[in-house]
Amino acid sequence: NAGVTQTPKFQVLKTGQSMTLQCAQDMNHNSMYWYRQDPGMGLRLIYYSASEGTTDKGEVPNGYNVSRLNKREFSLRLESAAPSQTSVYFCASSGTDYNEQFFGPGTRLTVL
Amino acid sequence: RKEVEQDPGPFNVPEGATVAFNCTYSNSASQSFFWYRQDCRKEPKLLMSVYSSGNEDGRFTAQLNRASQYISLLIRDSKLSDSATYLCVVMTRSSASKIIFGSGTRLSIRP
Repeated sequence: NAGVTQTPKFQVLKTGQSMTLQCAQDMNHNSMYWYRQDPGMGLRLIYYSASEGTTDKGEVPNGYNVSRLNKREFSLRLESAAPSQTSVYFCASSGTDYNEQFFGPGTRLTVL
Repeated sequence: RKEVEQDPGPFNVPEGATVAFNCTYSNSASQSFFWYRQDCRKEPKLLMSVYSSGNEDGRFTAQLNRASQYISLLIRDSKLSDSATYLCVVMTRSSASKIIFGSGTRLSIRP
């Protein structure tokens, strides 16, 4: 089992460019999450999906969109990247929402 | 006041010592609590869930104090490999966005 996988591992964008971060899990989990982690601030929830077909905003959703493509995959899109979105992005999944979460290895994004 | 607060440390203790961290939370309706461990430039990994009755896993003990609204993590007989950042997580079902991570406590174990 790969657990939670994320692509790409690293990305550099210019301001205004768009990109999609991909996440997939093979644990048959219902819930999936996207977080960003900035120095000294801990992880902050961007969006989450309690089950296939549903998505909800987290603490910091502005500038992002998500798609729960199927039970396995949950993608995060930046339509017009800004330097403030420079961060490490983690995807996570859990069997049910508000339960133990398992994280992917992260994507390190730099926006110039 | 932050919804979840942790002492950032760093805690620098000798191998074999006992060390304890606390994590305070502000929402009395919070229902689920966890401790995660995060190594440098890696993803967080679940260390243990925190139950009302407290729970123990080897050298690690987690406690929940609802009256004072904090959770604690105790590490006994610390090992060099325990050096990491420890994150507490507090979840509240009343709102979809209420999954709050603490900013973490850095622990460094010295030989």
